Amino acid sequence: GQSLEQPSEVTAVEGAIVQINCTYQTSGFYGLSWYQQHDGGAPTFLSYNALDGLEETGRFSSFLSRSDSYGYLLLQELQMKDSASYFCAVEGNNRLAFGKGNQVVVIP
Amino acid sequence: DAGVIQSPRHEVTEMGQEVTLRCKPISGHNSLFWYRQTMMRGLELLIYFNNNVPIDDSGMPEDRFSAKMPNASFSTLKIQPSEPRDSAVYFCASSSQGATGANVLTFGAGSRLTVL
Repeated sequence: GQSLEQPSEVTAVEGAIVQINCTYQTSGFYGLSWYQQHDGGAPTFLSYNALDGLEETGRFSSFLSRSDSYGYLLLQELQMKDSASYFCAVEGNNRLAFGKGNQVVVIP
Repeated sequence: DAGVIQSPRHEVTEMGQEVTLRCKPISGHNSLFWYRQTMMRGLELLIYFNNNVPIDDSGMPEDRFSAKMPNASFSTLKIQPSEPRDSAVYFCASSSQGATGANVLTFGAGSRLTVL
């Protein structure tokens, strides 16, 4: 089966850096994705890691360690619009399972 | 492209009634997913189709739930009879690959169901 763990809520000021962690358990691991969801909205894709290492996309970066079954999403130069929930999603066993999500609140 | 289109956006119904949620995936996407989101359980995969064929329905809660994909441009999720515990936001998503490899899901806006 699959399981994911994510902490629940983080508050940070504009311009700060936030790291959101994700640990997972799955058989047949293929990759780890990250999605952003604003209140009342739909999840939207942010990044994907299939191999170990760091993927950078603008202010957001995602890291994966397959040996540790661990990944993180790094949000840099936080902006108010980054206030949202962030989900990791693990692909494995022909399924894509989402974690419970981590709410990020950005304050001025 | 208009993205993934879901209807209805909101539905309020009474316990015991039949509910049908609809989804039109992005043209050219060969995989379609139905998720349910609640505060308590987060985003749960209910079922997914690849090339209109159900691949994994192990997330479907019970026999009251059924999903169909009669063609590449349309899918339905039906709940009969509905119960208050089915109240949730139901998301449909499509992708251009199966649930392996780089798999980018595009979600619809969701259908918010309230069962009284």
